[in-house]
Order: sequence, then structure tokens, then C-alpha cells
Amino acid sequence: SQTIHQWPATLVQPVGSPLSLECTVEGTSNPNLYWYRQAAGRGLQLLFYSVGIGQISSEVPQNLSASRPQDRQFILSSKKLLLSDSGFYLCAWSAGAGNQPQHFGDGTRLSIL
Amino acid sequence: EDKVVQSPLSLVVHEGDTVTLNCSYEVTNFRSLLWYKQEKKAPTFLFMLTSSGIEKKSGRLSSILDKKELFSILNITATQTGDSAVYLCAVDGSGTYKYIFGTGTRLKVLA
Repeated sequence: SQTIHQWPATLVQPVGSPLSLECTVEGTSNPNLYWYRQAAGRGLQLLFYSVGIGQISSEVPQNLSASRPQDRQFILSSKKLLLSDSGFYLCAWSAGAGNQPQHFGDGTRLSIL
Repeated sequence: EDKVVQSPLSLVVHEGDTVTLNCSYEVTNFRSLLWYKQEKKAPTFLFMLTSSGIEKKSGRLSSILDKKELFSILNITATQTGDSAVYLCAVDGSGTYKYIFGTGTRLKVLA
């Protein structure tokens, strides 16, 4: 069966520091991968998605970036965090072919001080 | 602009009650609608509804899709305290497997 791992679970970072959140999927090949941010009362906002290695689409302009160095690895990064980057970050995957639901990791709660 | 609206925003019921959660949408090119249950961390997938699958049921949960009126409902019968969660609706309205999420309905079931 497929599983998705996301870490760390919580992270406290100072303003201006770099960020790296990692997500890996097991048990499937060539998945579509997604990064979302969830703010209180605002639902899930799609940040990036990827349909293959090295292929990244950005949905919202911001100081975050994403990379997909391997088929089942998706990384969310920032060179300098802002206070507004605080939030709950979720990684998700879906099967690469056809109309399939997305499945989520447990999320990372990021607090910027 | 594509959008997904869920109602009510929050709901408090007693165990054994039946609840109906609503999700309406306005999108360019509807492909599918998803329902999720989110407790503390990861949203858990419940149902996918498409043009070829407009009604789904699993135990006490059921959902229907009305493509003409552009909405879906999620029904939960004989509610239990374990049903307490935020229920999210998401729509792929561009045909590109990117989903737009509603803000969710927070359900609290009292013992």
C-alpha cells in the first residue's frame, strides 16, 4: 500500500532563516505531488504541484520554492522566512494517471518568530 | 474565478442526530469533487464524485453530486463523537488535477 511521510511535524524558526520541508511517498511510481498551506479559517491553498521529476508548477507567488529531485521526493524550501510564512503545510500525492483523489501527509506546523 | 463554498461553517449536534453538509461550486471545467475528514492532522479521503459517479455511500456516510445545480452534500446519519472533525470539500474545476478547497465545515458531536 502507498504511504506518505512528511517531516518535521513541528518547526519553530526565526525570521530570515532558511527552510526545508521534506515529503516522500512509498508504494507508487510517478505520482503527482502537491504542497499546500492551510491557514485558520481559510481552507487549503495550493502552493506547488509536480507531475514529474524536475517539473514544478507554482500557484502562488511568494518567497517559497519547491523541488522534486527524485520521483517520490518533494521538498519545500525558502532562503529567508517571513512572519507571514507561518502556517500548517501539507504534502499530498495522487496517482499520476487518470482522475484520482489526493492523499495527505500529517503536515508540518511552522511557526516563525 | 473558480470557487468552492461550504456551509454551514460550523455545526454542533448530539449523538444520534443526522447532519447534512453542503458544498457548492462555480468552476470552469468540472472534473471531480472530493470530500475529506480532517481531525488533527492529515485530511482523510472520504469520497470522490464525478460525472459517472454521482452517489457514494460508506457506512453512515453518504454523498451525492448535483451537476446541474452545482453542489454536493455529505450526509452523516446516527452521528457519533468520533465524527467530530472539519469536513473539507475540494473541486477539480480546471481539468488539470488541481483542486480548489472550501474552507470546511467544523462539526462537533456532543455525547
